[in-house]
Amino acid sequence: AQTVTQSQPEMSVQEAETVTLSCTYDTSESDYYLFWYKQPPSRQMILVIRQEAYKQQNATENRFSVNFQKAAKSFSLKISDSQLGDAAMYFCAYKGGTSGSRLTFGEGTQLTVNP
Amino acid sequence: NAGVMQNPRHLVRRRGQEARLRCSPMKGHSHVYWYRQLPEEGLKFMVYLQKENIIDESGMPKERFSAEFPKEGPSILRIQQVVRGDSAAYFCASSPSEGAYEKLFFGSGTQLSVL
Repeated sequence: AQTVTQSQPEMSVQEAETVTLSCTYDTSESDYYLFWYKQPPSRQMILVIRQEAYKQQNATENRFSVNFQKAAKSFSLKISDSQLGDAAMYFCAYKGGTSGSRLTFGEGTQLTVNP
Repeated sequence: NAGVMQNPRHLVRRRGQEARLRCSPMKGHSHVYWYRQLPEEGLKFMVYLQKENIIDESGMPKERFSAEFPKEGPSILRIQQVVRGDSAAYFCASSPSEGAYEKLFFGSGTQLSVL
């Protein structure tokens, strides 16, 4: 079974600074997808960024980028120029390469952005 | 284009009562996933449905829980004879197809509180 581990229950960052959230996963599959979701206090799950495992290039979405290390099974999220609106719970998630496969989530990292 | 709609947003039940949670997927989406989030934890997969079919219910407790996605109308997650341990946020997500890379769109969840 696949597992996703987020070892940082809480992180904090100063506004305009950069922060990195860690995520590791365990799988025996060769084809899979990785995601970072954001959950603000409204509880809405919002997709931040996603990465296909077969792509070596790290995904980037504006101020959000990932560091995908396939051999190490590591998938960290970097948030640059942090904004107050980035404060939320962040979840790393894994999805197998077969159709209809479910998302497996980590336990989450609560990010606080200090003004 | 309305997003995934879940209702009610909050549901209070006494032990032994039934809870019915509704999810209307995004327009054009025929694939629905239900997840449960216990306090301080990540989301855990429960069940995956397509119209009129249960595709994967491996994450759903064998007793008291059932789900359906009829040809017409919303998907329903039903919990019979609720217990305090059922208190959680229940999220629904939908996608237009079953592709592994398909983006899931989440609703805002139903917070179930069992007294």
